[in-house]
Amino acid sequence: DSGVTQTPKHLITATGQRVTLRCSPRSGDLSVYWYQQSLDQGLQFLIQYYNGEERAKGNILERFSAQQFPDLHSELNLSSLELGDSALYFCASSAPSRGEQFFGPGTRLTVL
Amino acid sequence: AQKVTQAQTEISVVEKEDVTLDCVYETRDTTYYLFWYKQPPSGELVFLIRRNSFDEQNEISGRYSWNFQKSTSSFNFTITASQVVDSAVYFCALYMSSYKLIFGSGTRLLVRP
Repeated sequence: DSGVTQTPKHLITATGQRVTLRCSPRSGDLSVYWYQQSLDQGLQFLIQYYNGEERAKGNILERFSAQQFPDLHSELNLSSLELGDSALYFCASSAPSRGEQFFGPGTRLTVL
Repeated sequence: AQKVTQAQTEISVVEKEDVTLDCVYETRDTTYYLFWYKQPPSGELVFLIRRNSFDEQNEISGRYSWNFQKSTSSFNFTITASQVVDSAVYFCALYMSSYKLIFGSGTRLLVRP
């Protein structure tokens, strides 16, 4: 158990809908990262937050947004969903000055 | 360009064989970190090791060992006396000053009894 929690574990929705994925980092970690894992794209970095502020952006679509709240939990919002958004979405957290990221169990999103 | 290459897509070995997973990286940063993660069939990503760019010491942890060679930009991972429980996808990753963690495409290891 990495100490990072993600909810829900599974999400099935329809095209055009909007969903919110939630992540709680390990106790004491200030950084939260979001990743998408799909069969054709592999593991892709989406976005990072550090203590509430956006720090780095990767291949995140404009339809996707994220935020980190004062209690350090983070949410990833995916809107106008398309079939191609079906993937495993991981959240990770890391401690200040440490590079290693610890991953949550992931949320498997299926868009029908 | 920043890139991580894991040229071995899939490796199959028989239990108790030694196996080496290759990882080659590209970066212009002088300070960076390299990682290995394991993704078993259950799907979670498990952190195995971190190595920073200034530390070229090899590391051994039980049956696992890592060989970091800056001269060839490689960070290879060896499992000695493999076991069925080692069957998983293994990812090498590079972390740089841009705060992004870039993953290789992964190597699927199948250990047959």
